[in-house]
Amino acid sequence: EVQLVESGGGLIKPGRSLRLSCTGSGFNFGDYAMSWFRQAPGKGLEWVGFIRNNAYGGTTEYAASVKGRFTISRDDSKTIAYLQTNSLKTEDTAVYYCSAGTTGWYSDYWGQGTLVTVSS
Amino acid sequence: DIQMTQSPSTLSASVGDRVTITCRASQSISDWLAWYQQKPGKAPTLLIYKASTLGSGVPSRFSGSGSGTEFTLIISSLQPDDFATYYCQQYNTYPLTFGGGTKVDI
Repeated sequence: EVQLVESGGGLIKPGRSLRLSCTGSGFNFGDYAMSWFRQAPGKGLEWVGFIRNNAYGGTTEYAASVKGRFTISRDDSKTIAYLQTNSLKTEDTAVYYCSAGTTGWYSDYWGQGTLVTVSS
Repeated sequence: DIQMTQSPSTLSASVGDRVTITCRASQSISDWLAWYQQKPGKAPTLLIYKASTLGSGVPSRFSGSGSGTEFTLIISSLQPDDFATYYCQQYNTYPLTFGGGTKVDI
């Protein structure tokens, strides 16, 4: 059974940093691109970014709203993808989902999400 | 950025109804479109990719069509498990963008 489990969310003050983790199991993690999305309370889905698998160089793409502040990385030996979030703003408050897809263009598998609340 | 517009934003329907949701792109995206279903408090699940290809394990009552700028998601006979919010997402160009969602309720 495919599973993606996010962790690391919580309440954090503006300007601080937080690292989210996404642990995958039940599929060949190294073959998949890993993406992050977010959903502000009561709002729709927003793409944050993704990291390609190493066969495609492990390169990354980001939404303009997070570029330069957020960094996606992966450790295939541990089957974990990370989302490092820096200089957090109140508007970054959302449930953050990780997902896996063969290309990163759309997502076959999703985690259950982790809530990040940015507030003073 | 490519803007994705879904209609309607809310749809009231009954079990057994045929339901049609429309998604329009602000520019041509060929058939690089996915549809997701999301239930309250849950993660999205993939229904369709490449505009019309059913995701793994997705019931055949779901179908997708369209290309260019106009796309539709059809549920041929609405089931109780289908009451949810549906999102389209384009992957023709970065940034990947979503429609605003269509909530299907009773």
